[in-house]
Amino acid sequence: SAVISQKPSRDICQRGTSLTIQCQVDSQVTMMFWYRQQPGQSLTLIATANQGSEATYESGFVIDKFPISRPNLTFSTLTVSNMSPEDSSIYLCSVGGLGGREINEQFFGPGTRLTVL
Amino acid sequence: AQTVTQSQPEMSVQEAETVTLSCTYDTSESDYYLFWYKQPPSRQMILVIRQEAYKQQNATENRFSVNFQKAAKSFSLKISDSQLGDAAMYFCAYLPFSQGGKLIFGQGTELSVKP
Repeated sequence: SAVISQKPSRDICQRGTSLTIQCQVDSQVTMMFWYRQQPGQSLTLIATANQGSEATYESGFVIDKFPISRPNLTFSTLTVSNMSPEDSSIYLCSVGGLGGREINEQFFGPGTRLTVL
Repeated sequence: AQTVTQSQPEMSVQEAETVTLSCTYDTSESDYYLFWYKQPPSRQMILVIRQEAYKQQNATENRFSVNFQKAAKSFSLKISDSQLGDAAMYFCAYLPFSQGGKLIFGQGTELSVKP
């Protein structure tokens, strides 16, 4: 089965700095998404990563804070910019259309646990 | 507003017994998917089961099955012959056809399995 990996798996950062999280899939996928899971909470969609064009952001999330890239069909990055302690969360990428499955069936990476001091 | 509600923050089941996790959702859409995801302490989100709203037949995956009641907007998960490895947080999720992939999650139910 296909593998979805994220780097780093966890990080502790100082406020005011930025962190870029990578999501790599070992086969081409149609859709890639980024979610945030705040401590003890459920998952919230940040944006849809579009290949070759700007990401589509959900209400409450902006490109300046969470710039996203998707240069090809297997890779995406999410940057958390100018971090504050409120950004401490697990960030997860998900993919749709994996292995020829329907694009609406999303599979998740292992997540990146971010702590901001 | 489209919302997903899991009214049971915590559930407990004896090993080998059956447990049912509840989920209700609110939508005006007619075409959508429903999912159950499992998140063990490793935090990996694992797709457990999927249901298309246009299908009347309830989905099953080995020991996992759902009771989908479209009119009632209810989507419960039944785990049969519970195993220690089933202990995890379970999230119900809704995906309308019109939303281009935006999964809407419930708040989760923490399931513990007693040996």
